[in-house]
Amino acid sequence: EADIYQTPRYLVIGTGKKITLECSQTMGHDKMYWYQQDPGMELHLIHYSYGVNSTEKGDLSSESTVSRIRTEHFPLTLESARPSHTSQYLCATGLNPYEQYFGPGTRLTVT
Amino acid sequence: DQQVKQNSPSLSVQEGRISILNCDYTNSMFDYFLWYKKYPAEGPTFLISISSIKDKNEDGRFTVFLNKSAKHLSLHIVPSQPGDSAVYFCAASDNTDKLIFGTGTRLQVFP
Repeated sequence: EADIYQTPRYLVIGTGKKITLECSQTMGHDKMYWYQQDPGMELHLIHYSYGVNSTEKGDLSSESTVSRIRTEHFPLTLESARPSHTSQYLCATGLNPYEQYFGPGTRLTVT
Repeated sequence: DQQVKQNSPSLSVQEGRISILNCDYTNSMFDYFLWYKKYPAEGPTFLISISSIKDKNEDGRFTVFLNKSAKHLSLHIVPSQPGDSAVYFCAASDNTDKLIFGTGTRLQVFP
């Protein structure tokens, strides 16, 4: 089972602030993913990475950015948070897309 | 347009009975299907999967059935247990690096 960590678990922040959501994994998997999920809705892929220095945008347009400088670390950044960014953000990792291992998620509220 | 649909947002089943969760898809290129289970405040966990070359896959109390002609799959849980109460997501892949998720079905198993 993959070990994947996300911090913070909960974040309430004011409009206009810059935030970084952390995601780390200890399995050495090359592929990592960021999903956004609103209550009662599907998970939407917003970013993914094939490995170090590789980042791609997902199917859902997002104002966030990601970086992959180390295999185990895949942070997501919002330069200027807005209330529309309020959501749950889930990080995942895996050797292939078929069996992805998810972190516990960060629930973000922008006031 | 949603490619993976879970039309029942919730399902309530008595302990010991069978739970049947349904999922429909529209993309005939999907070749692999998965079910994930999600508890509140946690990330989804992989439950069971099926390749498009099969029509059934069984793992303990969990069985997934695939009907390619109808573009329909279902997850059977028997016997249902209170610990099975969670949100279940259906997901599909078309051999790219992405999973397409449904909106989830909340299962409640009552004593």
